[in-house]
Amino acid sequence: EAQVTQNPRYLITVTGKKLTVTCSQNMNHEYMSWYRQDPGLGLRQIYYSMNVEVTDKGDVPEGYKVSRKEKRNFPLILESPSPNQTSLYFCASSSGPRLGYGYTFGSGTRLTVV
Amino acid sequence: QKEVEQNSGPLSVPEGAIASLNCTYSDRVSQSFFWYRQYSGKSPELIMSIYSNGDKEDGRFTAQLNKASQYVSLLIRDSQPSDSATYLCAVNGDNFNKFYFGSGTKLNVKP
Repeated sequence: EAQVTQNPRYLITVTGKKLTVTCSQNMNHEYMSWYRQDPGLGLRQIYYSMNVEVTDKGDVPEGYKVSRKEKRNFPLILESPSPNQTSLYFCASSSGPRLGYGYTFGSGTRLTVV
Repeated sequence: QKEVEQNSGPLSVPEGAIASLNCTYSDRVSQSFFWYRQYSGKSPELIMSIYSNGDKEDGRFTAQLNKASQYVSLLIRDSQPSDSATYLCAVNGDNFNKFYFGSGTKLNVKP
């Protein structure tokens, strides 16, 4: 089954404790992206990657890091999480959004930072 | 900051009616436009994309794009209660790899 797999689904952590949210896709998509979704603000792009070793900032990259060492994986790293990073996070992949191909989203990770 | 505006709703329509969802965007160079559906507690799922002016139909869904007026709309014909969800509009930005989502319109289809 074609899918984007995120882990964990739920995470509660404390301020400052580094964490990684994993994302993997099995569709051989070149393009991957991370979004956060907050009430009233919609989905906001954190980082995106157009291919292996090619990443770029989205609209809200502060406090986040990403890497793309393999085509299928695109982890999101929070080096020192803060309460304002409490949110619902989605990983997404596409074969080419600028060509009209939409995203396939993962199931989401609900992060709470206390 | 690119803007994608949607009426948050809720938009209520009776079963069998046409639901009309609208979205405006601020960036004139946007090229790709997408509609997603998101059920409560679930991830967004793609309904359709459009990038040429005019209408694009897919089953009960029709996307309409007017680049001159900078709006894109989604029509849902013969609305069903299972269509009750939040509908998200997404637009690409000037570097074409950055995408901006509206905050969504909540649709309620009443039996």
